[in-house]
Amino acid sequence: DAGVTQSPTHLIKTRGQQVTLRCSPKSGHDTVSWYQQALGQGPQFIFQYYEEEERQRGNFPDRFSGHQFPNYSSELNVNALLLGDSALYLCASSFLPGQGLRTQYFGPGTRLLVL
Amino acid sequence: DQQVKQNSPSLSVQEGRISILNCDYTNSMFDYFLWYKKYPAEGPTFLISISSIKDKNEDGRFTVFLNKSAKHLSLHIVPSQPGDSAVYFCAAPQGGANNLFFGTGTRLTVIP
Repeated sequence: DAGVTQSPTHLIKTRGQQVTLRCSPKSGHDTVSWYQQALGQGPQFIFQYYEEEERQRGNFPDRFSGHQFPNYSSELNVNALLLGDSALYLCASSFLPGQGLRTQYFGPGTRLLVL
Repeated sequence: DQQVKQNSPSLSVQEGRISILNCDYTNSMFDYFLWYKKYPAEGPTFLISISSIKDKNEDGRFTVFLNKSAKHLSLHIVPSQPGDSAVYFCAAPQGGANNLFFGTGTRLTVIP
């Protein structure tokens, strides 16, 4: 079982550009959540996808958008990048949105640097 | 508004001794708390949880204590081992079941 995988592992962009990050959930999982972890901070919830729809959203602007595919994998898109978007982006998967946080697995993250 | 706070960014402990990591929260509606451990280049992994109806939960070397009146929880690791060196986050659910408020983390270093 590969667990939660994310790509790419590292990424460098410049201000104003757009970026797409990818996540494949753990086998058997159908729900994907995205978190942003800035340096020295804890992860902050961005949004959650289930059945190819955004189910919940944290306090992030519309520049952050996502998608979930029929195979449950997910993308996080960030438009008009700002320096403050530099962070580790974590994907977490679980089986059904309400099946318990103890069964939520995190991927290793994508480190995004905006110059 | 930081609803879950970890005020100690780092902690160093000798191998074999007790490690105590602290966490405070402001939202009295939280009814469930979790601790995660994070190694470099890996995602956070679930360690132990506690429901607000309990004041203690134990799993092997790890024990979490909850003091609801003080809005405070702590994670005890006894005995501490070098492999426990990691960043520890406390977290509480927000709204839906899979969405978490995280603290800022405490980096634990266990010295051999």
